[in-house]
Amino acid sequence: GAVVSQHPSWVICKSGTSVKIECRSLDFQATTMFWYRQFPKQSLMLMATSNEGSKATYEQGVEKDKFLINHASLTLSTLTVTSAHPEDSSFYICSASRRGGEQYFGPGTRLTVT
Amino acid sequence: QKEVEQDPGPLSVPEGAIVSLNCTYSNSAFQYFMWYRQYSRKGPELLMYTYSSGNKEDGRFTAQVDKSSKYISLFIRDSQPSDSATYLCAMSITGGGADGLTFGKGTHLIIQP
Repeated sequence: GAVVSQHPSWVICKSGTSVKIECRSLDFQATTMFWYRQFPKQSLMLMATSNEGSKATYEQGVEKDKFLINHASLTLSTLTVTSAHPEDSSFYICSASRRGGEQYFGPGTRLTVT
Repeated sequence: QKEVEQDPGPLSVPEGAIVSLNCTYSNSAFQYFMWYRQYSRKGPELLMYTYSSGNKEDGRFTAQVDKSSKYISLFIRDSQPSDSATYLCAMSITGGGADGLTFGKGTHLIIQP
């Protein structure tokens, strides 16, 4: 149990376009979902926390108008990178937790902006 | 000073050896401590989850937390080539999955056959 999926696993987009990444908890209802970003040889950095039906809480330094998060249901959260630029190229990973439980991570989405 | 310090390695040991991985941290408010394993270009996989100081054992893995020293460890016994991966320590202030995690950089472990 506790499987989290992400789609797509890899996406290439042109500078200035927007891209949406989906995160789903497949076999449990996630009260909270998190979005992290990981640059090569760096640690995972928390970007934002989202609860179903509420606005996401963003970490300091993360632009909420650039990284739009929608937590539409207890099994789905989406991250939209708007007007992407090459410096947004990174590995984006979501995690999901159920009340009182640990965080389970998705397989990640590699974003390349050309 | 970063909140969580972890030697990135690589750490190379022969098969069958005992592996010791460590992290130090600066925020005394952290109470929940985790170890994740991450293979290249994959999401982290939870290995151990502990609360406060003490030891926890699960198969070949033992996690230790010393809050007084702000130091956590993961020991792997009878290491196998399949254990080769990056090991990330992570911690949070509150448990229950409500808080985002603060991660170390990860230690790249290589088990030589």
